Amino acid sequence: NAGVTQTPKFQVLKTGQSMTLQCAQDMNHEYMSWYRQDPGMGLRLIHYSVGAGITDQGEVPNGYNVSRSTTEDFPLRLLSAAPSQTSVYFCASRISGGTKTQYFGPGTRLLVL
Amino acid sequence: AQSVTQLDSHVSVSEGTPVLLRCNYSSSYSPSLFWYVQHPNKGLQLLLKYTSAATLVKGINGFEAEFKKSETSFHLTKPSAHMSDAAEYFCVVSDRNTGGFKTIFGAGTRLFVKA
Repeated sequence: NAGVTQTPKFQVLKTGQSMTLQCAQDMNHEYMSWYRQDPGMGLRLIHYSVGAGITDQGEVPNGYNVSRSTTEDFPLRLLSAAPSQTSVYFCASRISGGTKTQYFGPGTRLLVL
Repeated sequence: AQSVTQLDSHVSVSEGTPVLLRCNYSSSYSPSLFWYVQHPNKGLQLLLKYTSAATLVKGINGFEAEFKKSETSFHLTKPSAHMSDAAEYFCVVSDRNTGGFKTIFGAGTRLFVKA
């Protein structure tokens, strides 16, 4: 199994540009989520999904959109990038249940100029 | 509402000495608690988790943590630090009763290990 994969690994955007961060998992996990990591703030939940067709907002959803058309994929879209979105983004997945371990992707480092 | 506080942003120890990383949590319901480790420029790896079974939880690489409900704490310990333990550690809480959808991370504690 490849586990959780993320592309790209690194991206530079200009303010106002749009892009999609890709996340895929091959473990048939129902639950997937996106986090951003900023210095001194840990990881903050952006959006999550409990299954195909079902998404919900996390702690910091503004400026980001998600959709979940398949169990495997959970893309994160930035419609109009802002410098405040410069961060490292992690995708994670797990099976259903709050006690279950999350498996994290390697991260995408995004710089917005 | 849930929250988690890691009491130290940085901890420095000498190789071979004990490690203590402190975590306090707040949860309205029965919490699940986790410790994850992140080595530089890497993703996150689970060290251990508490899910209402034994209050003393053993994890990988010699780490363990004790769930103390009366103190709302879940401190991470290791008897003897190794150079390879230098990393950032995150304490995490999720609410078991509502499916754990909204996982909350602490701000992290960076562990330095001196030779």
